[in-house]
Amino acid sequence: DAKTTQPNSMESNEEEPVHLPCNHSTISGTDYIHWYRQLPSQGPEYVIHGLTSNVNNRMASLAIAEDRKSSTLILHRATLRDAAVYYCILSPTGNQFYFGTGTSLTVIP
Amino acid sequence: DTGVSQDPRHKITKRGQNVTFRCDPISEHNRLYWYRQTLGQGPEFLTYFQNEAQLEKSRLLSDRFSAERPKGSFSTLEIQRTEQGDSAMYLCASSPRGGTEAFFGQGTRLTVV
Repeated sequence: DAKTTQPNSMESNEEEPVHLPCNHSTISGTDYIHWYRQLPSQGPEYVIHGLTSNVNNRMASLAIAEDRKSSTLILHRATLRDAAVYYCILSPTGNQFYFGTGTSLTVIP
Repeated sequence: DTGVSQDPRHKITKRGQNVTFRCDPISEHNRLYWYRQTLGQGPEFLTYFQNEAQLEKSRLLSDRFSAERPKGSFSTLEIQRTEQGDSAMYLCASSPRGGTEAFFGQGTRLTVV
């Protein structure tokens, strides 16, 4: 299972953009980069995933470095509801995820 | 709501007792997963089903743990002779055929006393 490295915690002011980094220097060519988040007392929730190109959806954007050894999840305007633990995960198939400890995001009103 | 449903939401049991959890995936999702999460840690993969076939099992899944998915619909996770170290949140997720997004339930919180 390929390993990812994320900061333990980050803070952001409400309504400002948030950039959550993830390093994955041992990524293989078939690994997709997945992001999930987990709100308190909830199961994880899918955010976004990508392989090589940057991806956008209604929740966030995913910026993938050209060498694919790092990626950044971008929340365009943080709200209090975005306070959660964010997990960056590598998986070739999506059939099993190794979550790690993630980044705990605090949003300051 | 047609999300992943888990039952019960909370279970307190005495050490040495057997417990069984149920997961109802989203209708027509052919893949189903079980994860375990302890406080302050991310979820840990336990096992994966495609339809009724159990295709992968983590080494975390000791002989006391067994999972089934009869007829490829709901799934059960049984823990025999529970130990205090089994106290955790047990999460179930499902994915549709051809999709990579996993939809998680709210979990079953097990406390072994």
